[in-house]
Amino acid sequence: EVQLLESGGGVIQPGGSLRLSCAASGFTFSSFAMSWVRQAPGKGLEWVSSISGSGTNTYYADSVKGRFTISRDNSKNTLYLQMNSLRAEDTAVYYCAKDITTGTTGWFDPWGQGTLVTVSS
Amino acid sequence: DIQMTQSPSSVSASVGDRVTITCRASQGISSWLAWYQQKPGKAPKLLIYAASSLQSGVPSRFSGSGSGTDFTLTISSLQPEDFATYFCQQANSFPITFGQGTRLEIK
Repeated sequence: EVQLLESGGGVIQPGGSLRLSCAASGFTFSSFAMSWVRQAPGKGLEWVSSISGSGTNTYYADSVKGRFTISRDNSKNTLYLQMNSLRAEDTAVYYCAKDITTGTTGWFDPWGQGTLVTVSS
Repeated sequence: DIQMTQSPSSVSASVGDRVTITCRASQGISSWLAWYQQKPGKAPKLLIYAASSLQSGVPSRFSGSGSGTDFTLTISSLQPEDFATYFCQQANSFPITFGQGTRLEIK
């Protein structure tokens, strides 16, 4: 069974940094692109970033470009999101999600349970 | 960026009803469209990808159609567990974008 387990969320002051992790199991991690998608409280879904299976190719939303960095450690089956210069508008539940096929399709399934990041002074 | 617009924003329906949700892309995306279902406090779940392909394990009462800019999600006979929020998503190009969501409520 494919499982994705996010961790690392919490309360952080504006301007601070946080690193999210997503531990994956139940599939050949290095063969699949992975992504982060966030959802502000009571709002819709916003794609944040994606990374290819090898880690060679990365993609970012304009809203986080230059502040967030996606990476992966295929030896540890773990996806990361380094978040710097955090702003109040980054407050959201952050989900990691797996591409449904090898390659980078942009179809996400499954998703992790999410980790809440709250940026507040 | 490609804008995704769903309609309606909310809909009330009864068990057994047929419901259709529409998604329009601001430019052509071929069949690069997915539909997700999200229940309160839970992660989204993929229902349909490539506009009309049913994800494994998803009941056949869910179906998708369309290409280019106009797409629909149809639930043929609503079940109690289908009351949720539905999002469309384009994967034609980065940045990936989602519709604003359609809340399906019990009448």
